[in-house]
Amino acid sequence: GAVVSQHPSWVICKSGTSVKIECRSLDFQATTMFWYRQFPKQSLMLMATSNEGSKATYEQGVEKDKFLINHASLTLSTLTVTSAHPEDSSFYICSASSTGWDYNEQFFGPGTRLTVL
Amino acid sequence: GQNIDQPTEMTATEGAIVQINCTYQTSGFNGLFWYQQHAGEAPTFLSYNVLDGLEEKGRFSSFLSRSKGYSYLLLKELQMKDSASYLCAPMDSNYQLIWGAGTKLIIKP
Repeated sequence: GAVVSQHPSWVICKSGTSVKIECRSLDFQATTMFWYRQFPKQSLMLMATSNEGSKATYEQGVEKDKFLINHASLTLSTLTVTSAHPEDSSFYICSASSTGWDYNEQFFGPGTRLTVL
Repeated sequence: GQNIDQPTEMTATEGAIVQINCTYQTSGFNGLFWYQQHAGEAPTFLSYNVLDGLEEKGRFSSFLSRSKGYSYLLLKELQMKDSASYLCAPMDSNYQLIWGAGTKLIIKP
């Protein structure tokens, strides 16, 4: 299957700082990338969908000024959590998909665990 | 609205067979995915069904009935490493995956 990487795997930061998470497709061109957040024992929550070269589409209730998404190339998308607060502590997961695949399946990165003190 | 219904937790014995059921309601339908998620890790793709019937892939099989809004994942010859959450995720008319909380499967020796 396709490989998606995320960096960093985990990060601890102070309240009020900004954190950038990178998501890369390693062996394919990702026309669409998705950013999810998952709290313990809860389902994946889609935050936003981004297509290369265009602005991300945010889900209802997700603040676009707080969660900045950039999909600058077909292999890289970044999520920046600005002015992070303890309630932003969560498991952030990206996934990638490519047009032309038979199934429209999404392949997931390993996730980034964010802890805001 | 859109929703997924799966059992919260199931327990099975190593070497046995277990069936995880899923019923769903979505706005449009473009297939249904099953993912496996180990604790603290991201989901990994298991199977995809878009037509009615059974898809078999090794120890795992997945079944779909579109008219009933129903799917199941069948796991055979259970191994301890199969202990994980199993996520049923139908894709709606916008090609968005709809996620539930998944079924936590506990395998006992």
